[in-house]
Amino acid sequence: GAGVSQTPSNKVTEKGKYVELRCDPISGHTALYWYRQSLGQGPEFLIYFQGTGAADDSGLPNDRFFAVRPEGSVSTLKIQRTERGDSAVYLCASSLGAGGFTDTQYFGPGTRLTVL
Amino acid sequence: AQSVTQLGSHVSVSEGALVLLRCNYSSSVPPYLFWYVQYPNQGLQLLLKYTTGATLVKGINGFEAEFKKSETSFHLTKPSAHMSDAAEYFCAVSAVDSSYKLIFGSGTRLLVRP
Repeated sequence: GAGVSQTPSNKVTEKGKYVELRCDPISGHTALYWYRQSLGQGPEFLIYFQGTGAADDSGLPNDRFFAVRPEGSVSTLKIQRTERGDSAVYLCASSLGAGGFTDTQYFGPGTRLTVL
Repeated sequence: AQSVTQLGSHVSVSEGALVLLRCNYSSSVPPYLFWYVQYPNQGLQLLLKYTTGATLVKGINGFEAEFKKSETSFHLTKPSAHMSDAAEYFCAVSAVDSSYKLIFGSGTRLLVRP
């Protein structure tokens, strides 16, 4: 079946602009996660949704970052007033949401964001 | 708090040679441990995971890892490297009480020489 998809695959923007990154999880997965992967680093947790609600947003770096999942499926990560330091690959993952060690996260290919 | 250290940002082996990728972790609570592989332009794919029980874990593509609590290690091995194993490998940890939050190491790029 279809995996996690993310659009766009690449996004180039100018400093100060607003961007939206979209994630389509695997059908039936109630849990959704966003991570950020900077060059030469491993992915870094940003936010976790269970259904429509953000269960843990402790990884969002500041209030310029916001994410929504209004219908419990597709999620959008929104970044306001982008800065050059926001340049990274933004990864989305989803899981069944059962919790515990059986709940494997499946990752999308990511969106590469470049802020000029 | 949890953290992961992967020794060696690049590892190069000959085709057919043993693959050993090192991972050490710190965790104040019993951890879950993972290895993910990332091929170019693809998403992270789970290779294997340790949760409870047997400390030697077998994964896909002939990889395995052993959880050694006394050494706080979870090294990844494969007896014989294939060219197709060339990729970036990430070790990750999560806590039993927040199993959704994966903490990743900085990754090791595996190069396989013909």
